Amino acid sequence: GENVGLHLPTLSVQEGDNSIINCAYSNSASDYFIWYKQESGKGPQFIIDIRSNMDKRQGQRVTVLLNKTVKHLSLQIAATQPGDSAVYFCAENIKGYSTLTFGKGTMLLVSP
Amino acid sequence: DSGVTQTPKHLITATGQRVTLRCSPRSGDLSVYWYQQSLDQGLQFLIQYYNGEERAKGNILERFSAQQFPDLHSELNLSSLELGDSALYFCASSSGQGRSPLHFGNGTRLTVT
Repeated sequence: GENVGLHLPTLSVQEGDNSIINCAYSNSASDYFIWYKQESGKGPQFIIDIRSNMDKRQGQRVTVLLNKTVKHLSLQIAATQPGDSAVYFCAENIKGYSTLTFGKGTMLLVSP
Repeated sequence: DSGVTQTPKHLITATGQRVTLRCSPRSGDLSVYWYQQSLDQGLQFLIQYYNGEERAKGNILERFSAQQFPDLHSELNLSSLELGDSALYFCASSSGQGRSPLHFGNGTRLTVT
């Protein structure tokens, strides 16, 4: 799969715009989802999570939407800032398992 | 700062050698996970320990092993190293109770020459 570095899907936005990063998951038994942000040279950093009994959850400047019908997850970042530039990963947890499976990352580039 | 500490930050070694990566979880976390991140494979789960016992195993090679000690720190041992083992190795921890996010360290970058 694709990941940090080369060949990542890339989203380029202007500072102040809203960003939407999408993720498709494959396992209908997944019931817990997390978004992570990874900056260069650092480990993945927790942003926000959502359980499958919810379809929306809001944090500070971020909103996660979950559509279980089409197995789709999105992360919305409001008023995107240059400091938001990073690779974003979604991760899913399958019910009954303790581990996280990570999706392909998306690189977000924010121009001043 | 996630509270997860990994050492060393960088490691350069030759093929055929053996290395040990170390991880200290967040205070109070009982579960430790190891992930490998390479350019062509993304973040791949290797192994999980919970309170000293192996809980789950992913695509971990037989040349790799891990353990979690009574003080909850963990070590990942990589032996008979090959060029393809060059990657970032991340440790993450969680409380291990119910649904809780994993908190990652900043990784060890392993370069095998």
